[in-house]
Amino acid sequence: DAMVIQNPRYQVTQFGKPVTLSCSQTLNHNVMYWYQQKSSQAPKLLFHYYDKDFNNEADTPDNFQSRRPNTSFCFLDIRSPGLGDAAMYLCATSSATGTGEQYFGPGTRLTVT
Amino acid sequence: GQNIDQPTEMTATEGAIVQINCTYQTSGFNGLFWYQQHAGEAPTFLSYNVLDGLEEKGRFSSFLSRSKGYSYLLLKELQMKDSASYLCAVRDSLQPSGGYQKVTFGTGTKLQVIP
Repeated sequence: DAMVIQNPRYQVTQFGKPVTLSCSQTLNHNVMYWYQQKSSQAPKLLFHYYDKDFNNEADTPDNFQSRRPNTSFCFLDIRSPGLGDAAMYLCATSSATGTGEQYFGPGTRLTVT
Repeated sequence: GQNIDQPTEMTATEGAIVQINCTYQTSGFNGLFWYQQHAGEAPTFLSYNVLDGLEEKGRFSSFLSRSKGYSYLLLKELQMKDSASYLCAVRDSLQPSGGYQKVTFGTGTKLQVIP
């Protein structure tokens, strides 16, 4: 089945220790997104890729970086995690045509100690 | 930008009908989505409206009025498994390079279905 996969599902890191979250997709979608979602809040878009074009949201901290080496894979790097970065990180994909509905991965829950 | 409002929480009885409202104020509009999100899980797509009117899909229906900036999600024959958060999301009409149109999510309505 075509899907969006995120690894790991749960990640614990120490304050200030860099961490990388990964996402892969078999849907061959042009667009990939990274969202941060905290409890009882809306998913907050951090950035997205349209093919290789990277788009950073204006309020995304510099501490967050992303890489998309090919169509299938996308990575979220948090260079120096703070306690406030503890959240669920959701990867999603969509086609650039049609309704643009987004397909989400299961998420990575990040804990910062 | 987009501003999206939904009730925070609702409670309904198993077997009943519930309507979850969403209002939005946008600088541009090109469609509204509803997603379901169970606790600790990722959102899953439920419906999409871009024209005024009602879209029906099984037990779930979604309505849109663009002139009023209003949508609702109607859930019929409620089941316990329908207990989840329901997110309203609006797609912008602005098209930067490549045709991508930004989607903004509301904070969601947490629905509790009780026996």
